[in-house]
Amino acid sequence: QKEVEQNSGPLSVPEGAIASLNCTYSDRVSQSFFWYRQYSGKSPELIMSIYSNGDKEDGRFTAQLNKASQYVSLLIRDSQPSDSATYLCAVTPNTGGFKTIFGAGTRLFVKA
Amino acid sequence: DGGITQSPKYLFRKEGQNVTLSCEQNLNHDAMYWYRQDPGQGLRLIYYSQIVNDFQKGDIAEGYSVSREKKESFPLTVTSAQKNPTAFYLCASSPGTGGTDTQYFGPGTRLTVL
Repeated sequence: QKEVEQNSGPLSVPEGAIASLNCTYSDRVSQSFFWYRQYSGKSPELIMSIYSNGDKEDGRFTAQLNKASQYVSLLIRDSQPSDSATYLCAVTPNTGGFKTIFGAGTRLFVKA
Repeated sequence: DGGITQSPKYLFRKEGQNVTLSCEQNLNHDAMYWYRQDPGQGLRLIYYSQIVNDFQKGDIAEGYSVSREKKESFPLTVTSAQKNPTAFYLCASSPGTGGTDTQYFGPGTRLTVL
């Protein structure tokens, strides 16, 4: 059974701090990795995608991938109360694949 | 506006009824998906379609059926055989073959069994 594991949280950080969200996956041949943000009662929206080892930065968000350790993380710098949401990690076995596996998500709470 | 639409936003089903959830996209994406989300859980794949007139079962297809007669449309029917259908249903699409595999989601339909 291919799995994507996340700490359910809640992760609570003060406004302006760095929030660090982590995800591990079991399928070694996984090639595509995604972070989605989901506000309560809403659908997921894509935050970041990453395909190769290392860091990828987009504004306040940085995704980090380590395929050897089967680990992907999302850093949110200068956290804002509007970042309070559930963050879903998603993994696809290969590029162009059609069966993406989603983690259960980590709830983030940013305190003003 | 390009995007994915789902209707209705809320749906109530009586025991023994079949209901159909609509999903339409105008992104010209080849692939479309249906997921189910239960509280505190991740998304579970029900069905997916890579091309018109073709679809495959996901991990929890029992009690559900789909069709893909048009590229833009991928309706999901929740049949009376689905014993616990109360959940949040999400439709998604991706460019498919030759594009990235990033999936984009519609706003969702919340189904409640009365």
